[in-house]
Amino acid sequence: GAVVSQHPSWVICKSGTSVKIECRSLDFQATTMFWYRQFPKQSLMLMATSNEGSKATYEQGVEKDKFLINHASLTLSTLTVTSAHPEDSSFYICSAHLAGGGEQYFGPGTRLTVT
Amino acid sequence: GNSVTQMEGPVTLSEEAFLTINCTYTATGYPSLFWYVQYPGEGLQLLLKATKADDKGSNKGFEATYRKETTSFHLEKGSVQVSDSAVYFCALSDGSGSARQLTFGSGTQLTVLP
Repeated sequence: GAVVSQHPSWVICKSGTSVKIECRSLDFQATTMFWYRQFPKQSLMLMATSNEGSKATYEQGVEKDKFLINHASLTLSTLTVTSAHPEDSSFYICSAHLAGGGEQYFGPGTRLTVT
Repeated sequence: GNSVTQMEGPVTLSEEAFLTINCTYTATGYPSLFWYVQYPGEGLQLLLKATKADDKGSNKGFEATYRKETTSFHLEKGSVQVSDSAVYFCALSDGSGSARQLTFGSGTQLTVLP
């Protein structure tokens, strides 16, 4: 149980275009999902906390107009990278909180490359 | 604020060697503590957790004990295998049972040689 999927697993896009990444909790409902960014050989950096039915809470330094987050249902959150630039190339990972245990369950990640 | 300090890597061991990866934390209150593992090209997987002082989390031969007096949660395994090669992250959550944020350590790359 507690499976989280992400789609796509990797994407290459041209500079200036937008990319949408989906995060789904497959066998449980998640009122809260988190979006992280991971640079090569580094730890995860929390970008934002996504709550179902309300606006996301962004960490300091993360541009909310560039990284649009929508959490329309209890099993789906989306991250849209708008007007992507090469410096947005990274590994984006989502997680979903399973109530009661305190831990988060992570998706497999999405590798974004902006050319 | 919360922070997690993790033993720097990379760590290279021979198969069947003993593994210790140190992790200490700073937090207000009583956090829950976690070890996550990330295999190449994959997302993080929960390895084990402990939610209160003196709890021991264990899974797949790995163990870690929540030591409040030393604010530590060191990861150990008695005999590592090649398949254990991965990056290990120590993390804390400032409140079990609620959707609190995780604070991660910097990660430790483990390579196990046959």
